Amino acid sequence: AQSVTQLGSHVSVSEGALVLLRCNYSSSVPPYLFWYVQYPNQGLQLLLKYTTGATLVKGINGFEAEFKKSETSFHLTKPSAHMSDAAEYFCAVSGAGGYQKVTFGTGTKLQVIP
Amino acid sequence: KAGVTQTPRYLIKTRGQQVTLSCSPISGHRSVSWYQQTPGQGLQFLFEYFSETQRNKGNFPGRFSGRQFSNSRSEMNVSTLELGDSALYLCASSFGAGGSTDTQYFGPGTRLTVL
Repeated sequence: AQSVTQLGSHVSVSEGALVLLRCNYSSSVPPYLFWYVQYPNQGLQLLLKYTTGATLVKGINGFEAEFKKSETSFHLTKPSAHMSDAAEYFCAVSGAGGYQKVTFGTGTKLQVIP
Repeated sequence: KAGVTQTPRYLIKTRGQQVTLSCSPISGHRSVSWYQQTPGQGLQFLFEYFSETQRNKGNFPGRFSGRQFSNSRSEMNVSTLELGDSALYLCASSFGAGGSTDTQYFGPGTRLTVL
């Protein structure tokens, strides 16, 4: 069984400020973890993923996330927000190894204030 | 290379009707997954097909069904539509072999409205 909790359905930051989107997961097996972004009227685009190895994962558009097993967390960060970062972000988990279904969090809408 | 395509992009149906949605995966991908996205429930997994076989299934009633063809294209069908079926239906494709290199790529979705 696996689940994802995203803290905060809406987050607002000022342009140039740090972006921090929180994600905690639960998984009975070693997890694969993902962050996706969704722009209005579009599908989901993969930002980054953690499978094995280095716990700090760098993704596209300047985003990164750190896998912390002891805290069961996989928070998404970006040092400086841009207006173009305004979108909805989804954290997701699947079981490692053989293919397993992906479970998504409920999403966090990021608003960037000029 | 071309991404995941979904047709139609928008659909309006009335209660009791049935609907078929189509998804064409990225060339070479053998796995297709379907998700329902609603404001209240978020993204919920419907089912996944790999090499024409349903490999995983979510917790949806039997009104929701799917299939995959030999060219990996997939269709999902919803029969006896209910108002609550109004949603964005997303399709995602991947190689399907699992492991750290396998990644799902999403299509733009089909927006279904049930009146």
